Amino acid sequence: EIVLTQSPATLSLSPGERATLSCRASQSISSYLAWYQQKPGQAPRLLIYDASNRATGIPARFSGSGSGTDFTLTISSLEPEDFAVYYCQQRSTWPTFGPGTKVDIK
Amino acid sequence: EVQLVESGGGFVQPGGSLRLSCRASGFTFTSYAMSWVRQAPGKGLEWVSVISGGGDSPYYGDSVKGRFTISRDNSRNTLFLQMNSLRVEDTAVYYCAKSRTDWVNDAFEIWGQGTMVTVSS
Repeated sequence: EIVLTQSPATLSLSPGERATLSCRASQSISSYLAWYQQKPGQAPRLLIYDASNRATGIPARFSGSGSGTDFTLTISSLEPEDFAVYYCQQRSTWPTFGPGTKVDIK
Repeated sequence: EVQLVESGGGFVQPGGSLRLSCRASGFTFTSYAMSWVRQAPGKGLEWVSVISGGGDSPYYGDSVKGRFTISRDNSRNTLFLQMNSLRVEDTAVYYCAKSRTDWVNDAFEIWGQGTMVTVSS
């Protein structure tokens, strides 16, 4: 099973700041990585697929990069609605998810 | 509007059974693989099972293999998850999710609102 590690566990930032979230895979997954956003009491929402492709309707402030084992989700300027938990997910083998990074308000 | 609506969750004792349903609308159901993903209270996400668009290729995570069965009725645009021999550790919100493409192992593009399953004595 491919294990995904996310860092940091919690990121405390202010609106307007840049957020950089990391996801590392236990072995190479090429570009088969997705990012999801989840707010309390809601289902996850797909943000990025295949490492760097924004899903339909996702604002341009969200961007993804990386390949192999190291990946990054960047939110260029945090909006109030962006404070949430973010999960990465690999599909190189049957899907596994990272433990999540919580982005909260500083 | 693309929509997934789950139902069938509830409270069950260990060893019991439940059948979850997910009604899809707003897209060509047969053209997409469909999955179940669960989330234990306060925990992260765990993929449970996926089925191909035609319904002939089901796959399962190791934690549910042999106990859960995924199926679909394409005439009714509905996905199912039959859960048998339930354990306390199966307690979770169960989400159905639409694959981004017809490939069984793609990103989860659309999610339902989830249905809660509680297994307890």
